[in-house]
Amino acid sequence: DTAVSQTPKYLVTQMGNDKSIKCEQNLGHDTMYWYKQDSKKFLKIMFSYNNKELIINETVPNRFSPKSPDKAHLNLHINSLELGDSAVYFCASRPDGRPGGAFFGQGTRLTVV
Amino acid sequence: ILNVEQSPQSLHVQEGDSTNFTCSFPSSNFYALHWYRWETAKSPEALFVMTLNGDEKKKGRISATLNTKEGYSYLYIKGSQPEDSATYLCAPETSYDKVIFGPGTSLSVIP
Repeated sequence: DTAVSQTPKYLVTQMGNDKSIKCEQNLGHDTMYWYKQDSKKFLKIMFSYNNKELIINETVPNRFSPKSPDKAHLNLHINSLELGDSAVYFCASRPDGRPGGAFFGQGTRLTVV
Repeated sequence: ILNVEQSPQSLHVQEGDSTNFTCSFPSSNFYALHWYRWETAKSPEALFVMTLNGDEKKKGRISATLNTKEGYSYLYIKGSQPEDSATYLCAPETSYDKVIFGPGTSLSVIP
C-alpha cells in the first residue's frame, strides 16, 4: 500500500486553466505539506496543515489554495495557471509528537503550456 | 528567508571511499535538523532527525552529527557503494512543522 499518494503523476495543461492535485496519506499522520521543486531542483515549502488547519503559508500566490477535507487528505488547487507554475509538486506527511522525518509522495509533474 | 548551505554541491567518489558533507544553518530559531536521501526518479526519504546539540545518529554505513551552537551538521558515509548515489538534503526545522530544505549535495559513487 502506498503511504502517501498523489494524483495525477503527470499533468499537462494550458495557461489560464484551473487544476487540482490530490494527496492522500494512509499513515494516520497529523501534519501534511506541499512542496514545490523549482527549476534548480530546490524543494521549497508551500503549505503545512496540521489536523486540517493551515499552519504554514510561505508567501505562495493566492492562486494556490490548499484544501484539507480531513486529516488524511491535502489537495492543492491552482487557479489561472501560469508558465512559471511548471514544476514538480510534492506532498508529504508526518506524525505529531517528537520530531520525525516526513514521508513523501511520488510527486506530480505539472507542465503549463 | 532561511539561509541553508550545503557543501560540496556535488561529489564523485570511488566505490569504497568514505566521504562527508556539510550543512550549515542559522543557529537561532532551531528546533530540529533533518537529513534526507533523494534518489533520481524517486521521492526524498528521511535518514535522520536530530534535535540536541552533540547528537549523533547512525544508520548502517551512514552517520550524522549536529552542532546547534555553531549551526552545522555533518553527514558521513563509510565505504561508499554505488547504491549510495543520490542527492543528500539537509533540512533545518526552525519551528514546529516548518522544515526548510537546503540545496543538497549530489553524490555519485563510481564502481
